[in-house]
Amino acid sequence: QKEVEQNSGPLSVPEGAIASLNCTYSDRGSQSFFWYRQYSGKSPELIMFIYSNGDKEDGRFTAQLNKASQYVSLLIRDSQPSDSATYLCAVNGAELRGSNYKLTFGKGTLLTVNP
Amino acid sequence: DAGVTQSPTHLIKTRGQQVTLRCSPKSGHDTVSWYQQALGQGPQFIFQYYEEEERQRGNFPDRFSGHQFPNYSSELNVNALLLGDSALYLCASSFGPSDTQYFGPGTRLTVL
Repeated sequence: QKEVEQNSGPLSVPEGAIASLNCTYSDRGSQSFFWYRQYSGKSPELIMFIYSNGDKEDGRFTAQLNKASQYVSLLIRDSQPSDSATYLCAVNGAELRGSNYKLTFGKGTLLTVNP
Repeated sequence: DAGVTQSPTHLIKTRGQQVTLRCSPKSGHDTVSWYQQALGQGPQFIFQYYEEEERQRGNFPDRFSGHQFPNYSSELNVNALLLGDSALYLCASSFGPSDTQYFGPGTRLTVL
């Protein structure tokens, strides 16, 4: 079982729609969850992080975490063509496992927003 | 506020050579983590440096080594380059090992 799984896509949505990106993880002890956006040829850019179960909103972005289901998602409202990029889900390991601070990434989901 | 910087931007080497990549963390950050990102894949953790020591290491061979300097900047060294080492090498900095990581622009390494 892969540690962090994402649907590779591509996910295509029309401009103005809601884009929903999903991620599952295998380590139940994971503590911190991150969404990064990566444009083609560029480095990952942090969008949001979430630590607690529930929703966290920041502008057009909402991160959702369900630790019982080992599931984290990112919703992008009013999608814009400039949102077209690969979205990477990253998980930080449990401190209980001894300084496990590395980020484990999924392969990313390619999102295309069509004008 | 200076972000994470990396040098060089691009690098072309031949098999068997050695390479050194450099990273300066974001202002106020003291921890540097290195990742390798192959085409079409997510970044893979190489190692993390904090207080000038390697604190954690991913599944990479000993050909990959690093160093952190007193000013918190860091180097990644790769010896005996293989074709499979061609990738985007990313440096991320944070305030402490467990804090949120911010990435630099990366170094694109091509091994011929």
